[in-house]
Amino acid sequence: NAGVMQNPRHLVRRRGQEARLRCSPMKGHSHVYWYRQLPEEGLKFMVYLQKENIIDESGMPKERFSAEFPKEGPSILRIQQVVRGDSAAYFCASSPAGSNQPQHFGDGTRLSIL
Amino acid sequence: GESVGLHLPTLSVQEGDNSIINCAYSNSASDYFIWYKQESGKGPQFIIDIRSNMDKRQGQRVTVLLNKTVKHLSLQIAATQPGDSAVYFCAETPNQGGKLIFGQGTELSVKP
Repeated sequence: NAGVMQNPRHLVRRRGQEARLRCSPMKGHSHVYWYRQLPEEGLKFMVYLQKENIIDESGMPKERFSAEFPKEGPSILRIQQVVRGDSAAYFCASSPAGSNQPQHFGDGTRLSIL
Repeated sequence: GESVGLHLPTLSVQEGDNSIINCAYSNSASDYFIWYKQESGKGPQFIIDIRSNMDKRQGQRVTVLLNKTVKHLSLQIAATQPGDSAVYFCAETPNQGGKLIFGQGTELSVKP
């Protein structure tokens, strides 16, 4: 019974490159969430998606960041033209449909920008 | 604005003692709360949740208390073990699902 799977676990990019982070939700879960965690801080919400729909992107930076959850395949968080400030741990969570369901997290992608 | 905060950034307890981790929240519209445990290099692990129509919920060795009057949440861990050492986060959601708002975390250290 696999949990939320994220890959890669570690990603190194140079400034100006693109970063693509992938997330496969738990089996049976149709809701996906992305969070960012800076060192010594809590997680900050970025975006909430269901299949082929963005439900809430209030935490996404206005530029360079995008997310999708296609009908088939994993959810993707894409960061274009990365800058040093994008260095962080990015976590994906999933939950089943219905209100007030607990979100279950993957082990994250650690993004480092050189 | 929305915020969830913790009273103590670090907590050190003796093995076998009970631990209490506190959390304050500011959004009175929040109706669902979760405690997570995060170990180094890993993602947050679900511990226990509670809905706003309850004031107490128990799990295995853990109890969550919710006081809506003062907007306070606490996590009690009975007979704390070395494996409980981690950072603990409370989180709230004001939208009956959707985004979680996390607190800053409390680091629990268990001394043998």
